[in-house]
Amino acid sequence: DAGVIQSPRHEVTEMGQEVTLRCKPISGHDYLFWYRQTMMRGLELLIYFNNNVPIDDSGMPEDRFSAKMPNASFSTLKIQPSEPRDSAVYFCASSSLDRSILNYGYTFGSGTRLTVV
Amino acid sequence: AQKVTQAQTEISVVEKEDVTLDCVYETRDTTYYLFWYKQPPSGELVFLIRRNSFDEQNEISGRYSWNFQKSTSSFNFTITASQVVDSAVYFCALSEHQGGSEKLVFGKGTKLTVNP
Repeated sequence: DAGVIQSPRHEVTEMGQEVTLRCKPISGHDYLFWYRQTMMRGLELLIYFNNNVPIDDSGMPEDRFSAKMPNASFSTLKIQPSEPRDSAVYFCASSSLDRSILNYGYTFGSGTRLTVV
Repeated sequence: AQKVTQAQTEISVVEKEDVTLDCVYETRDTTYYLFWYKQPPSGELVFLIRRNSFDEQNEISGRYSWNFQKSTSSFNFTITASQVVDSAVYFCALSEHQGGSEKLVFGKGTKLTVNP
């Protein structure tokens, strides 16, 4: 398996522009998570999905952020309009509910480094 | 609410020294999982270990070992004979599984620098 795939790896955008981050989870995983990492706040959970349904979005900072999971193999995190304080590394992770499997855990993508200027 | 505390913000050691990274957690659940992740300078999050709340056995994997003590709510990580390649930020994390939640909550991380 190729693991969790995120794109793009780096994104530089101007304040006010729309930004879309993409994630392809591991096939068969039924949970998908979006995290944000900053120096000040560390790793924060923004939202997570179970079987493509958003379960908890309490970590989404404000209405400018939205996330979708139209199918089991794809999710997007959108910021519109973007602001400089959104600059961070955004990680996507996936997990399986089957905790009996030997390698149960949360597998993270390589992250998208977002810079808003 | 679940919480993970890594009191050591930064640690610096000389190669071949042993080093222990502390992790203390809070949870009201009886069923939970604890994790350690490594984040090298390249930025990816690398899974190191998972331990469930019913398994208090310590684990050793090469130079790495983990000490899980429910009595003190701690899950400490020791690197024996540290090497320069161990330099990274290490995160302890907790997930609870009662009530249907699958959240993974991270500590703030400990930055380990191993000097030659």
